Amino acid sequence: SQQGEEDPQALSIQEGENATMNCSYKTSINNLQWYRQNSGRGLVHLILIRSNEREKHSGRLRVTLDTSKKSSSLLITASRAADTASYFCATDWNNFGNEKLTFGTGTRLTIIP
Amino acid sequence: KAGVTQTPRYLIKTRGQQVTLSCSPISGHRSVSWYQQTPGQGLQFLFEYFSETQRNKGNFPGRFSGRQFSNSRSEMNVSTLELGDSALYLCASSLGPGQVYEQYFGPGTRLTVT
Repeated sequence: SQQGEEDPQALSIQEGENATMNCSYKTSINNLQWYRQNSGRGLVHLILIRSNEREKHSGRLRVTLDTSKKSSSLLITASRAADTASYFCATDWNNFGNEKLTFGTGTRLTIIP
Repeated sequence: KAGVTQTPRYLIKTRGQQVTLSCSPISGHRSVSWYQQTPGQGLQFLFEYFSETQRNKGNFPGRFSGRQFSNSRSEMNVSTLELGDSALYLCASSLGPGQVYEQYFGPGTRLTVT
């Protein structure tokens, strides 16, 4: 089964509001990454947070990581219509000596103009 | 720099046929990973290549294979296609090795098996 599970599966908010997505994982990780995917296209890397970091910012994005709870959250502030997409967390964990990146199930975010 | 390119973008095949998909990584990237994305299973890791060697492999049957060339370009092959192989196949490159680095994804190849 997949390493990461995003919550909620789908989220609709008004433009200008903040959007929060959560990701939970099962085993110890090296780092956690967030990606965005516009409908039917390739993924775009948003942010990477290492296991020894607790919070990271990039523009309107804020990511937190709680390794004790094995969870991460992605906050998008002042949402825009262009933020409509699916968001995935990906965890990098050791698979018998080989790092393996495993993606979660994704959160489908819809921004209502 | 040019991004990751994948060819073809769309493909329709019939059951039992085989297919080869191609991926050209970003210049300077030596790691290429392949993923299968379906509505039911989400994003599933297929394999990763670095310096022409397969470093890691996901849980897919032997019908799925790949290779990497000396210029880091990669191909994946699926033999004896099944209906369930219909999916978006994504290729990603990174500085590598391993997947601790940011992955740069291509637009994907949409494979439909009829």
